[in-house]
Amino acid sequence: QVQLQESGPGLVKPSQTLSLTCTVSGGSISSGGYYWSWIRQHPGKGLEWIGYIYYSGSTYYNPSLKSRVTISVDTSKNQFSLKLSSVTAADTAVYYCAREPPGYNCFDYWGQGTLVTVSS
Amino acid sequence: DIQMTQSPSTLSASVGDRVTITCRASQNISSWLAWYQQKPGKAPKLLIYKASSLESGVPSRFSGSGSGTEFTLTISSLQPDDFATYYCQQYNTYSPRYTFGQGTKLEIK
Repeated sequence: QVQLQESGPGLVKPSQTLSLTCTVSGGSISSGGYYWSWIRQHPGKGLEWIGYIYYSGSTYYNPSLKSRVTISVDTSKNQFSLKLSSVTAADTAVYYCAREPPGYNCFDYWGQGTLVTVSS
Repeated sequence: DIQMTQSPSTLSASVGDRVTITCRASQNISSWLAWYQQKPGKAPKLLIYKASSLESGVPSRFSGSGSGTEFTLTISSLQPDDFATYYCQQYNTYSPRYTFGQGTKLEIK
């Protein structure tokens, strides 16, 4: 059974960089042709896709966040990471990591989510 | 951007009812539509992919239909565990590749 687990600071100061890591267990991040995404949900609101990475390192980002987002992968640790720079209060959200199986174009496994609050 | 509009925003129903939630895309997305269920404090759970394919382990009372720009999620006989918020999600080859509907909250009448 694949499991995803987000980790990182729950509080980030405005203008700083938000950094989160997703650890994948129960399967290799390098196998199966999966894409690995970050998705966020503002408090009480809907879902916003941030971007994805393939195990090879190729990425694709939401244009609305592209200038501030970097997603990277560490296959040796079976992890992928999110960095979001120059954060403001508008970036306060629950951040999820998720897996997209080949040919699905949607997300079958999700982490439990981690709340990141941007505040001084 | 492709906009996804769900209706209704809130739906009140009783156990045993048949309910339908609609999702409309602002452009043709073929069958690249998924449905999720989310309960408070939890991650979304995939129910339906490719508009009508039931995800493994999801009860058969859930079904999806549609193509192009109009899609529906139907729950044939509501169970107590089904009261939650439901989201649709589209995929397309343009940016952004994935967008979600605003959600439909299914409440107990």
